[in-house]
Amino acid sequence: QVHLVESGGGVVQPGRSLRLSCAASGFSFSNYGMHWVRQAPGKGLEWVAVIWDDGSYEYYAESVKGRFTIARDNSKNTLYLQMNSLRVEDTAMYYCAREITVTTSWFDPWGQGTLVTVSS
Amino acid sequence: DIQMTQSPSSLSASVGDRVTITCRASQSIRRNLNWYQQKPGKAPKLLIYDASSLQSGVPSRFSGSGSGTDFTLTINRLQPEDFATYYCQQSYSTPYTFGQGTKVEIK
Repeated sequence: QVHLVESGGGVVQPGRSLRLSCAASGFSFSNYGMHWVRQAPGKGLEWVAVIWDDGSYEYYAESVKGRFTIARDNSKNTLYLQMNSLRVEDTAMYYCAREITVTTSWFDPWGQGTLVTVSS
Repeated sequence: DIQMTQSPSSLSASVGDRVTITCRASQSIRRNLNWYQQKPGKAPKLLIYDASSLQSGVPSRFSGSGSGTDFTLTINRLQPEDFATYYCQQSYSTPYTFGQGTKVEIK
């Protein structure tokens, strides 16, 4: 069964760092692009970052560019999001998602999410 | 970046109703449009991909249509478990932007 499990969330002060992990199982992780998507409390979905299957390409939302880094370890079937210089507005539930591409692309499945709270 | 605009932002409907949600892209995205359902406290779940393809396991009362800039999600014979928030997403180009969501509530 295809499964994604995020971890690493918590409460952190503004300006500090946090690293999220997303453990994948049930599929050939190294064959898929992976994404991070976040959702602030009571708000909609905001796409954050993508990394290609081989790690050769990354792309970020403007709101996190220069502060967040997406990475993956295909030997460990794990996706990461290194978050530096955290701001109050980064408070959100962070989801990882697998990208499936045939003629178009979509996200399936999503992990259950890990909550990041940035507060002094 | 491609902007995605959903309407309405919320709606009230009764069990058995037919519900239609629209999504408009700021430029043509061909058929690169997906729909997700999210229930409170849960992760989003894929309903429709490629504008009109039904994800495996999703009830056939859900359907999608459209291409270019205008898309529609239709729920026929609304069921109690369908009360949720629905998001469209374009996958034509990064960033893969989402609509702001449509909350379907019980009338």
